[in-house]
Amino acid sequence: GQNIDQPTEMTATEGAIVQINCTYQTSGFNGLFWYQQHAGEAPTFLSYNVLDGLEEKGRFSSFLSRSKGYSYLLLKELQMKDSASYLCAVMDSNYQLIWGAGTKLIIKP
Amino acid sequence: IAGITQAPTSQILAAGRRMTLRCTQDMRHNAMYWYRQDLGLGLRLIHYSNTAGTTGKGEVPDGYSVSRANTDDFPLTLASAVPSQTSVYFCASSDAAGDADTQYFGPGTRLTVL
Repeated sequence: GQNIDQPTEMTATEGAIVQINCTYQTSGFNGLFWYQQHAGEAPTFLSYNVLDGLEEKGRFSSFLSRSKGYSYLLLKELQMKDSASYLCAVMDSNYQLIWGAGTKLIIKP
Repeated sequence: IAGITQAPTSQILAAGRRMTLRCTQDMRHNAMYWYRQDLGLGLRLIHYSNTAGTTGKGEVPDGYSVSRANTDDFPLTLASAVPSQTSVYFCASSDAAGDADTQYFGPGTRLTVL
């Protein structure tokens, strides 16, 4: 079966760095997406990785290792507004997204 | 205003009633999707449409139907609602199917079936 695993909840301090991990087992791979979802709102796109390595976009970076079935989202200089759920999703061989349950990130002052 | 709209924002429905959730996008995207989101679970695909006039079944299609008469609209119908269909429903769209295009989401419909 297809499976995406990520931690249920994480806590971090304002101004710090946090790494949210995602491991996956899917039938085929056409890229990995990270989305941010604030409570009661729609998911919004953060990043896309299809090749191994690190993609940096401002305070957010995303890493992919296809051989290990592993990705992480790195958030630097955390701000209170970063309190949200972070969703990992893999695009399978049929170009359909398989979603993890999301990681709720709590930022403390 | 560019983007995806959904209606209603929320709805309480008696079991056995028929309900249509509406979704409209103005980005001229070819592909559209319906997901449900339940606590502790990832988003699950209900139905999708790669282009106007075609639809397909996702992971959890039972009890739901869709149509895609034109590019912009993709309504989701619950023929006879049951309590297990209580969920938050998101409509999404992407430029093209069969490609790793980013999906953009509507604001969601919170549905409660009693």
